[in-house]
Amino acid sequence: DTAVSQTPKYLVTQMGNDKSIKCEQNLGHDTMYWYKQDSKKFLKIMFSYNNKELIINETVPNRFSPKSPDKAHLNLHINSLELGDSAVYFCASSQGRRGGYTFGSGTRLTVV
Amino acid sequence: QQPVQSPQAVILREGEDAVINCSSSKALYSVHWYRQKHGEAPVFLMILLKGGEQKGHDKISASFNEKKQQSSLDLTASQLSYSGTYFCGTEGPLTGANNLFFGTGTRLTVIP
Repeated sequence: DTAVSQTPKYLVTQMGNDKSIKCEQNLGHDTMYWYKQDSKKFLKIMFSYNNKELIINETVPNRFSPKSPDKAHLNLHINSLELGDSAVYFCASSQGRRGGYTFGSGTRLTVV
Repeated sequence: QQPVQSPQAVILREGEDAVINCSSSKALYSVHWYRQKHGEAPVFLMILLKGGEQKGHDKISASFNEKKQQSSLDLTASQLSYSGTYFCGTEGPLTGANNLFFGTGTRLTVIP
């Protein structure tokens, strides 16, 4: 059983398109996250969400929006894709402030 | 809020030791350590909470100096399987969804 699963694993799309990445966790964790890892391997927090609050990193463009239908899912929707959005996007989850993060396997997004 | 890691890269022969440092300019609640192998997701190694604790798992141990806002990861008698990029993640003291800010990573290569 995959603890944190993301789909799709690879995504190639043209500039200007809208796309979504799905994430599901079966660990019963209370918080989920989206991270962006660029070509230099820098991991940058984009969003964190639990059933009480959504925290948005202020540097994330508003073209990016998280959507959480329930506690086990946190999807990422991206509008008007740009070349600079090309990166690997990781979903993660954790339980409280004393738990480590469990990462999904990542989605490699390529914008052409 | 991004912590600073050093060194950026290190090459070891099997059996040698290494220390990776992580430093923050802000007060910390916790420090996480992760290892990421090429093409894979980061994997949680350990979390250290404020209080100056130390932790260890097998031959990998870490310490957290809350007053200095620093943590170090000690790898003893390195094995080939230790190769990968090590990231520290730091969390500030404010309550709420815990957002980790990751360092730039330390690329560790263990050779026979």
